[in-house]
Amino acid sequence: GQNIDQPTEMTATEGAIVQINCTYQTSGFNGLFWYQQHAGEAPTFLSYNVLDGLEEKGRFSSFLSRSKGYSYLLLKELQMKDSASYLCAVLDSNYQLIWGAGTKLIIKP
Amino acid sequence: SQTIHQWPATLVQPVGSPLSLECTVEGTSNPNLYWYRQAAGRGLQLLFYSVGIGQISSEVPQNLSASRPQDRQFILSSKKLLLSDSGFYLCAWEPPTSGFTDTQYFGPGTRLTVL
Repeated sequence: GQNIDQPTEMTATEGAIVQINCTYQTSGFNGLFWYQQHAGEAPTFLSYNVLDGLEEKGRFSSFLSRSKGYSYLLLKELQMKDSASYLCAVLDSNYQLIWGAGTKLIIKP
Repeated sequence: SQTIHQWPATLVQPVGSPLSLECTVEGTSNPNLYWYRQAAGRGLQLLFYSVGIGQISSEVPQNLSASRPQDRQFILSSKKLLLSDSGFYLCAWEPPTSGFTDTQYFGPGTRLTVL
């Protein structure tokens, strides 16, 4: 079966750095997405990785290792508004998105 | 620019009642359209997707159905709601593709409570 694993919840301090991991086992791979979802709102797109390596976009970076079936989302200089759930999703060989359950990130002052 | 609308935003329905949720997209043509459900504290579950008018693919067997009567309109329906149908329903669109997919953009969602 296809599976996406993420930690259920993480806590970090304002101004710090946090890394949210995602591991996947899917039938094929055509890219990995990270989405941010604030409570009660729709997910919004953060990043897309299809090649190995690190993609940096402001305070957020996303890393992919296809050989290890592993990705992480790195958030720097954390702000209170970063409190949200972060969803990892993988595009499989049929170009269907397989979603993880999300990681709830709690930022403390 | 493209926008996606969903309504209603919130809905409380009794068990056994019908359901109709509507999603419309503006500013694009022939988008791929998706319906997802998200139970509280859970991930997104793909319910239906559509690559064109009248073309609906179902991912999970259930008492829900979907229709796409117009290019940019996607409707989720049920004849008789179950308690387990409660959740956050999200519509998403992505640009039309030729063999690969792109980022999905989500509507604001409909929070459905079945009592």
